[in-house]
Amino acid sequence: GIQVEQSPPDLILQEGANSTLRCNFSDSVNNLQWFHQNPWGQLINLFYIPSGTKQNGRLSATTVATERYSLLYISSSQTTDSGVYFCAVPPVSQGGSEKLVFGKGTKLTVNP
Amino acid sequence: GAVVSQHPSWVICKSGTSVKIECRSLDFQATTMFWYRQFPKQSLMLMATSNEGSKATYEQGVEKDKFLINHASLTLSTLTVTSAHPEDSSFYICSAGTHQPQHFGDGTRLSIL
Repeated sequence: GIQVEQSPPDLILQEGANSTLRCNFSDSVNNLQWFHQNPWGQLINLFYIPSGTKQNGRLSATTVATERYSLLYISSSQTTDSGVYFCAVPPVSQGGSEKLVFGKGTKLTVNP
Repeated sequence: GAVVSQHPSWVICKSGTSVKIECRSLDFQATTMFWYRQFPKQSLMLMATSNEGSKATYEQGVEKDKFLINHASLTLSTLTVTSAHPEDSSFYICSAGTHQPQHFGDGTRLSIL
């Protein structure tokens, strides 16, 4: 099955700093999602981004499907950005199913 | 937007009891829902695919007799952890959606004493 690797596994920032999280995947995909899991466990959809670039406020994401990676950018980080960031893709190359395989996540801590 | 409701959000029970978790799609019909499990400090792992009106499809290594899934209507799937033991303690979360992206419930934190 498809492999999803995220880096770095842990990241500590001071409030106001910028960061880039990376997601590599082992096969072609037609779906990629970024999620933020807050300290209460809630999983928040950030981006549905199988290719291209999207921006939402201080967050943006870019997926280069041909090179099998995606990047999540966080600018001017805030303490509320703390949590674990996951990327997820379908388990089978070009799979049409809605089920997802998750990476191991990047744990982000933003200190005041 | 699409909302998925999960209940309960937190449950503690004694070893040997059965626990039922509900996953509802509030403003859309879902022929398929997905159940994931997350152990502490780990990632989410797909347990099973819940199919409305038919049997669930379980991922390799997931005991279908222990984790009973029922999807009797287009808006409700239930996961029952039967004869729960401490090793079943985990965070269970469902997802649903008529297309991408999937929408996730808020999860159920299960603690078995």
